[in-house]
Amino acid sequence: DTGVSQNPRHKITKRGQNVTFRCDPISEHNRLYWYRQTLGQGPEFLTYFQNEAQLEKSRLLSDRFSAERPKGSFSTLEIQRTEQGDSAMYLCASSFGTEVNTGELFFGEGSRLTVL
Amino acid sequence: AQSVTQLGSHVSVSEGALVLLRCNYSSSVPPYLFWYVQYPNQGLQLLLKYTTGATLVKGINGFEAEFKKSETSFHLTKPSAHMSDAAEYFCAVRPILTGGGNKLTFGTGTQLKVEL
Repeated sequence: DTGVSQNPRHKITKRGQNVTFRCDPISEHNRLYWYRQTLGQGPEFLTYFQNEAQLEKSRLLSDRFSAERPKGSFSTLEIQRTEQGDSAMYLCASSFGTEVNTGELFFGEGSRLTVL
Repeated sequence: AQSVTQLGSHVSVSEGALVLLRCNYSSSVPPYLFWYVQYPNQGLQLLLKYTTGATLVKGINGFEAEFKKSETSFHLTKPSAHMSDAAEYFCAVRPILTGGGNKLTFGTGTQLKVEL
């Protein structure tokens, strides 16, 4: 297992286009997270899944954003009608979560989005 | 809501000098605390974490951090800086009891520069 994998690593798009990012977590991990990181800021939580269920969404996740994890394995994050403010690094992380798990998240290398 | 404050967005040290990166948290109860490192164009890597037990925590690459409840701090230190330590460092918190999985809240980061 090579860790959390994200694709594509870089995406340049024009304003108004739709983009989709994919995350493949570590295989035995049941939890998957999406974060967004802009220049000079720390990662900001967007949403997380436990298996295929999306259990929490941040207010940062506008209606143009949708995330899925249909079979409890890989996840996709789609941004519709992109805006320049969507330009950021989108980070995916996974973990094995239980009621007492202390939360070590393993991060992928991120997908950098540039909206022109 | 929990939060972390990292004092100093940029820290510069000489190679061989002490590294001290500051992190203070805000929480009604002591949370779990983490330090992550991010190298350019890469994801985040866990350096160390405090959950329970010993308040001085040792991590990878010679880093350590001490949890001080009275000061609500979790500063990161390394006795002797190496050129390879140049990176961005993020402090993060996670509440002990939560329905939000292992969601982390990150600080804004400290860019460490190591000079010859």
